[in-house]
Amino acid sequence: AQSVTQLGSHVSVSEGALVLLRCNYSSSVPPYLFWYVQYPNQGLQLLLKYTSAATLVKGINGFEAEFKKSETSFHLTKPSAHMSDAAEYFCAVSKGQAGTALIFGKGTTLSVSS
Amino acid sequence: DAMVIQNPRYQVTQFGKPVTLSCSQTLNHNVMYWYQQKSSQAPKLLFHYYDKDFNNEADTPDNFQSRRPNTSFCFLDIRSPGLGDAAMYLCATSRGQGVNSPLHFGNGTRLTVT
Repeated sequence: AQSVTQLGSHVSVSEGALVLLRCNYSSSVPPYLFWYVQYPNQGLQLLLKYTSAATLVKGINGFEAEFKKSETSFHLTKPSAHMSDAAEYFCAVSKGQAGTALIFGKGTTLSVSS
Repeated sequence: DAMVIQNPRYQVTQFGKPVTLSCSQTLNHNVMYWYQQKSSQAPKLLFHYYDKDFNNEADTPDNFQSRRPNTSFCFLDIRSPGLGDAAMYLCATSRGQGVNSPLHFGNGTRLTVT
């Protein structure tokens, strides 16, 4: 069965600092992996997805993630944090092979201080 | 703009009193999903429709039902809400079920059970 584990429920960075949000996956089939962002009182918005093409995936708002099969990881990074990046971030894996029903991690809240 | 709309944004119901949450979409997508998101937890898939085909997750309680009378609308019915059903309920859509059909989320309905 597919699952994802997000390491760290809260991450705090200063504006301009590197953002690193960690996600490890478990999957019995080649995984399709996603990162979503959720702002307060809003739905989830897709940041980026990995679908077995390039292992380094670029998304919106300057975020990117690297798929590392040897580490079963799909960590999300951004070189320089902005105040507007403060939100909750969810890593997700496709429930079935190539399906769109997703299994989400518990989320990581990113705080950005000035 | 094409979108996924959930009404109401906030719903209060009494313990044991049936409640219905609604979701509409102008995207003409084939698939509609309902997720339950409890505080500080991952969104959890309850069920989804592919056109008229209903797919229930194995661990979704019988207390939760869904209807999709047409392409645009999907309803979540909670027959006898308990205190443990208080959560944010997220509706999402996708054009198909491949990974190139990303999920589009509504802003959610926050349900309070008194």
